[in-house]
Amino acid sequence: DIRMTQSPSTLSASVGDRVSITCRASQSISTWLAWFQQTPGKAPKLLIYQASNLHSGVPSRFSGSGSGTDFTLTITSLQPDDFATYYCQQYDSYPYTFGQGSNLEI
Amino acid sequence: QLQLQESGPGLVRPSEALSLTCTVSGGSINSSPYYWGWIRQPPGKGLEWIGYIYYSGTTYYNPSLQSRVTISVDTSKNRFSLKLTSVTAADTAVYYCARHLGSTIFRRSGTYPHYYTDVWGNGTTVTVSS
Repeated sequence: DIRMTQSPSTLSASVGDRVSITCRASQSISTWLAWFQQTPGKAPKLLIYQASNLHSGVPSRFSGSGSGTDFTLTITSLQPDDFATYYCQQYDSYPYTFGQGSNLEI
Repeated sequence: QLQLQESGPGLVRPSEALSLTCTVSGGSINSSPYYWGWIRQPPGKGLEWIGYIYYSGTTYYNPSLQSRVTISVDTSKNRFSLKLTSVTAADTAVYYCARHLGSTIFRRSGTYPHYYTDVWGNGTTVTVSS
């Protein structure tokens, strides 16, 4: 299985800040990577697919980059609704696997 | 707008089978290029991909669960289902059904599916306990 490792596991920030979360794959996954946002008690929501494509309806302050094994999710000008847990997922090969999550807190 | 809704028992006894159904509304399960699948999340933990099915019946499962899992589709009722046998406390989780969107790349070396999850159900909590 491809192992996905996110860092940091916890990140403290303030409204208006710019933050980045990284995701590293244990082998190359090209750009077959998605990012999700999850708030407590809710289902995850898709933010980014194929490493850098913004899902419909997602604010432009979210962006993704990377290819191969190293990927980054960047959020500019943090809003109150952005404090959540973020997961990366590879869909290059079976079984699809997720990172352990990064908790973005105030 | 496409919506997915999970249903099924919230409590399952150890060694028995867990059965959940996902009803799709606002769209047809017969459409491509979509797979329909399941993802779970144990309490306080991360996400685990279980597997998915195409409307034709083609399935892919996580090898860690493959011996116990079956995903099936009922196109006449626009729904798909999950069955997980011989459950233990480790199967206690929120179970999400989800639509997967993407493409399959065909090369001389083989077939390479790449499908990401774009629509999720709200999730249903299943507890395994006697």
